[in-house]
Amino acid sequence: ETGVTQTPRHLVMGMTNKKSLKCEQHLGHNAMYWYKQSAKKPLELMFVYNFKEQTENNSVPSRFSPECPNSSHLFLHLHTLQPEDSALYLCASSQEGSGSPHEQYFGPGTRLTVT
Amino acid sequence: AQSVTQPDIHITVSEGASLELRCNYSYGATPYLFWYVQSPGQGLQLLLKYFSGDTLVQGIKGFEAEFKRSQSSFNLRKPSVHWSDAAEYFCSAGGTSYGKLTFGQGTILTVHP
Repeated sequence: ETGVTQTPRHLVMGMTNKKSLKCEQHLGHNAMYWYKQSAKKPLELMFVYNFKEQTENNSVPSRFSPECPNSSHLFLHLHTLQPEDSALYLCASSQEGSGSPHEQYFGPGTRLTVT
Repeated sequence: AQSVTQPDIHITVSEGASLELRCNYSYGATPYLFWYVQSPGQGLQLLLKYFSGDTLVQGIKGFEAEFKRSQSSFNLRKPSVHWSDAAEYFCSAGGTSYGKLTFGQGTILTVHP
């Protein structure tokens, strides 16, 4: 595997379900991100992890719970979602540090539909 | 507040024609600048980036972008568009704070044969 992978690619869940999205980066990066991409809206940064520590939470509802067990893996745990949470969820990674360019590399995304 | 604006939501060009996608940014200092491309149902792929130095940067797939400080712009160009370039293009900017990339709304490119 190369780059950033995400599983599953598609997910349909009911509002009472609990599911998890998984992201893995094979680039040796030290920072990982979750984004939400909805139709007609700009990309929304949800969470940032740097060296496994959460450094950003952009007022995301508690029904989204991130987990970063190591610098290569990132999870997004979902529970009691709402239909408006249906979107493409993108994971990204980057190498952060002094003089780092901050370019982010994205996975293919998980298309989530909440019914 | 930091922002990135892509004035054109949708652009249509004929195959073989030249292309320019506009991007304007508002930042306290010159930010790092990026262009990404997204095909339907896919993630974002980095096309090119600007950090400093030469204001004309070359990227993948024959794309280039020019940074103009006086106009706070970072427009993407391609001299001859191919049908496979049809996708959505995102301009983004970041400062020295890690993880803080700001994205524009995106421009959808349609290519007519």
